[in-house]
Amino acid sequence: DVQMTQSPSSLSASVGDRVTITCRASQSISTYLNWYQQKPGKAPKVLIYAASSLQSGVPSRFSGSGSGTDFTLTISSLQPEDFATYYCQQAYSTPWTFGQGTNVEIK
Amino acid sequence: QVQLQESGPGLVKPSETLSLTCSVSGGVISRYYWSWIRQSPGKGLECIGFIYQSGSIYYNPSLKSRVTISVDTSKNQFSLKLSSVTAADTGVYYCAKTTMTTYGAYYYLDYWGQGTLVTVSS
Repeated sequence: DVQMTQSPSSLSASVGDRVTITCRASQSISTYLNWYQQKPGKAPKVLIYAASSLQSGVPSRFSGSGSGTDFTLTISSLQPEDFATYYCQQAYSTPWTFGQGTNVEIK
Repeated sequence: QVQLQESGPGLVKPSETLSLTCSVSGGVISRYYWSWIRQSPGKGLECIGFIYQSGSIYYNPSLKSRVTISVDTSKNQFSLKLSSVTAADTGVYYCAKTTMTTYGAYYYLDYWGQGTLVTVSS
């Protein structure tokens, strides 16, 4: 199985901050990488697919980049509704696997 | 707008079979891939498997011997059965629509049910 490792596991940030979350795959996955946002008690919501494609309806402050083994999710200006847990997921090979999550907290 | 809703028992006894159904509205079930995912504190998010038009089914090898996913197009529903459950199978179970892009065959989970907590306990 492809192992997905996110860093950091948690971070504290203020409204308006630029936030970057990193995801590393244990082998090359090209650009078969998705990002999800999950709020407490809710299902995950897709933000980015294919490493850098913004899902319809998702604010443009979210962006994704990377290919091969190293990927990043960037929030250009953190908003109050962005405090949540973020997960990366590889869909290059089955079984699809998720990172352990990054919890973005209010500073 | 596609909507999904999981249903099934919230409590299952060890060694018994967990059975869940996902009802889909706003989308024709025969046109898409449909997945089951679970989330537990110990294992995080885990893809259980997915199905496409009954003829194409994938199961996570770690669960393959115990899992069955099926689809009922007449009811616009798909189902999950997990046999011989243990406490390790406790978690929140989600059903999700899975989109495959027309270019590059990129898969992603674009619509999710709200999730249902299943506890395995006697």
